[in-house]
Amino acid sequence: DAKTTQPPSMDCAEGRAANLPCNHSTISGNEYVYWYRQIHSQGPQYIIHGLKNNETNEMASLIITEDRKSSTLILPHATLRDTAVYYCIVRVDPNTGNQFYFGTGTSLTVIP
Amino acid sequence: GAGVSQSPRYKVTKRGQDVALRCDPISGHVSLYWYRQALGQGPEFLTYFNYEAQQDKSGLPNDRFSAERPEGSISTLTIQRTEQRDSAMYRCASSLRTSGSWGETQYFGPGTRLLVL
Repeated sequence: DAKTTQPPSMDCAEGRAANLPCNHSTISGNEYVYWYRQIHSQGPQYIIHGLKNNETNEMASLIITEDRKSSTLILPHATLRDTAVYYCIVRVDPNTGNQFYFGTGTSLTVIP
Repeated sequence: GAGVSQSPRYKVTKRGQDVALRCDPISGHVSLYWYRQALGQGPEFLTYFNYEAQQDKSGLPNDRFSAERPEGSISTLTIQRTEQRDSAMYRCASSLRTSGSWGETQYFGPGTRLLVL
């Protein structure tokens, strides 16, 4: 039931910006876009979320296109510790449920 | 507590046995979620609670799986008559506000790795 499409893997040089794309062409008007990441076998870690506007926090920036059909997660200065699987999630209407559908994510490898 | 905790961290059981997996959410978090994660896959939603009420169990694979949260805090996921296909990482998450809140963030625990022989 995943509503997002992500490339299966990406590489990024250490210190450079990592730009992770996500397509969510069927997103509804009130659905948020969430990004989580999972390092090794740890539990998923929240990164950022947004609805319409671009968002930035201490971890990353989220750029959402005007039509909301796609978004990009930006890690401005990737480090080796950012190597992880990154999940883009469109949140189901919370009035009918709070399921997060993770999909298979993008495996990001930061290269020294 | 500092984060979501789960126990046991590892569970090995024989096919046909029942297992109970425990989740202790972040103190004060009212919503609790259960997911299952197979190797190389993202977490798969199973069920969730607001306080002690189970809101949605549509993700539970079959009637061998059940969950409860009787006092609105700790939750137990029970798998009866385990089968080898039940082997997976079982993850719990909690959120501060009810799942009816837009933009609510879930915080995940370390998971319980279940192996059914």
